[in-house]
Amino acid sequence: GQQLNQSPQSMFIQEGEDVSMNCTSSSIFNTWLWYKQDPGEGPVLLIALYKAGELTSNGRLTAQFGITRKDSFLNISASIPSDVGIYFCAGRLFGNEKLTFGTGTRLTIIP
Amino acid sequence: DGGITQSPKYLFRKEGQNVTLSCEQNLNHDAMYWYRQDPGQGLRLIYYSQIVNDFQKGDIAEGYSVSREKKESFPLTVTSAQKNPTAFYLCATVDTSGANVLTFGAGSRLTVL
Repeated sequence: GQQLNQSPQSMFIQEGEDVSMNCTSSSIFNTWLWYKQDPGEGPVLLIALYKAGELTSNGRLTAQFGITRKDSFLNISASIPSDVGIYFCAGRLFGNEKLTFGTGTRLTIIP
Repeated sequence: DGGITQSPKYLFRKEGQNVTLSCEQNLNHDAMYWYRQDPGQGLRLIYYSQIVNDFQKGDIAEGYSVSREKKESFPLTVTSAQKNPTAFYLCATVDTSGANVLTFGAGSRLTVL
C-alpha cells in the first residue's frame, strides 16, 4: 500500500518554540487529516481539511491543505510539554474510502 | 460514554497460538477498521468492514481474520500463519454519514514470546 512522505521523522525542541511538519504525496488527495498519538494510546484527531488551500486552526495548531492537493502542513506555536508525542498525517485519495498514513513525526521537548 | 473499547490492552502469546483481539463500539458508526502499527512505520490497514456481515482485506491481511456479526463488534484474530505478529493493533470506526474521519480505540499490544 502507498504511504505518505512525512518529515521530519523526529524533532527535538525547547519549550516555547514553534514547530512545523509536512506531508507530501505523488497522488492527489481530497482529504487531509492530522492526528496525535501519545505513547501506548490510539491517535486522536487534531484537524481535518477538505478543500485545497484550506487553512484551519485548533488552538495553537494550524494546518493547511496544499494548493496542489499533494501536500499538507501542520504548525504548532509556542510548544508546551503536553505537545510531546507522535504526529501523523493521513490522506484520502479521490474515489477511495481508505486512508493512507504518513510514517509520523516524533516530537520531543528538551528541558 | 460513547467510544471504542479494545481488549485486552496487553496480550502475550506463544508461537503457534491463535489470539483474538476485541473491538466494541457504541458510537453507532457503520464502518470499522483494524490497523497494525510497528515502530517507525505508519499505520497499515489489515481489514475493514463498511457494513454488518461484510468485510474487505486491507494491505496486510495475510495471517489475520475478522468477523462482523454485529454493528458494534469487529474482532480480529491473529492466526499462527502471521509470521511476525508482535505489534500494536488499533481498531477504528468511521461515521460515514458525518465527518468521515477515523476515531481510534486505545489499542492492544500483542507480544509473541
